[in-house]
Amino acid sequence: AQTVTQSQPEMSVQEAETVTLSCTYDTSESDYYLFWYKQPPSRQMILVIRQEAYKQQNATENRFSVNFQKAAKSFSLKISDSQLGDAAMYFCACSSLRDDKIIFGKGTRLHILP
Amino acid sequence: DAGVTQSPTHLIKTRGQQVTLRCSPKSGHDTVSWYQQALGQGPQFIFQYYEEEERQRGNFPDRFSGHQFPNYSSELNVNALLLGDSALYLCASSPPPGLASNTGELFFGEGSRLTVL
Repeated sequence: AQTVTQSQPEMSVQEAETVTLSCTYDTSESDYYLFWYKQPPSRQMILVIRQEAYKQQNATENRFSVNFQKAAKSFSLKISDSQLGDAAMYFCACSSLRDDKIIFGKGTRLHILP
Repeated sequence: DAGVTQSPTHLIKTRGQQVTLRCSPKSGHDTVSWYQQALGQGPQFIFQYYEEEERQRGNFPDRFSGHQFPNYSSELNVNALLLGDSALYLCASSPPPGLASNTGELFFGEGSRLTVL
């Protein structure tokens, strides 16, 4: 079984600043994926960034990067140069490589202050 | 290329009624997963369909059932609706397992907002 914990229900950041969203997870799988999904007010969930657990190198996608600490089971998301369009709910998630069942955390609502 | 489409987008039911939600997966995808997202919460896994069979199921009662058709589209049925079933129901699809295009990512529809009065 997998669990995902996001301890920050809400966060705010000034436009153009950097913010880090925290996530911890637990899994009995040896091979798994970790994800950050974004859900804007229009509701559709979209993938922000993905990390394969067997890769030590942290994933990056433009202004988005992760800090993956496998031993600590920690997977934080850093957003650089925050933009107004980054305002959304952010969900940390985990799935095993055996199937496509993704387990989500409760989310962090990110506010961008102009 | 159409993404995941869901219908209806909104619906209102009363307690005890039954509801059917529909989902068409993204082109080229054959696996469909359903999630329930209560207001302010993360999505909770209901079940997953592959090759017209329920492959996995989350911790939901038998009132929640589903179906997958030969064209990979899917339905979610909820019987004997309770107030607590009010939520956004999300459908997500993924490509066939083992393909290079399967990176573990799920592609989501915009959801069906169910209100139970």
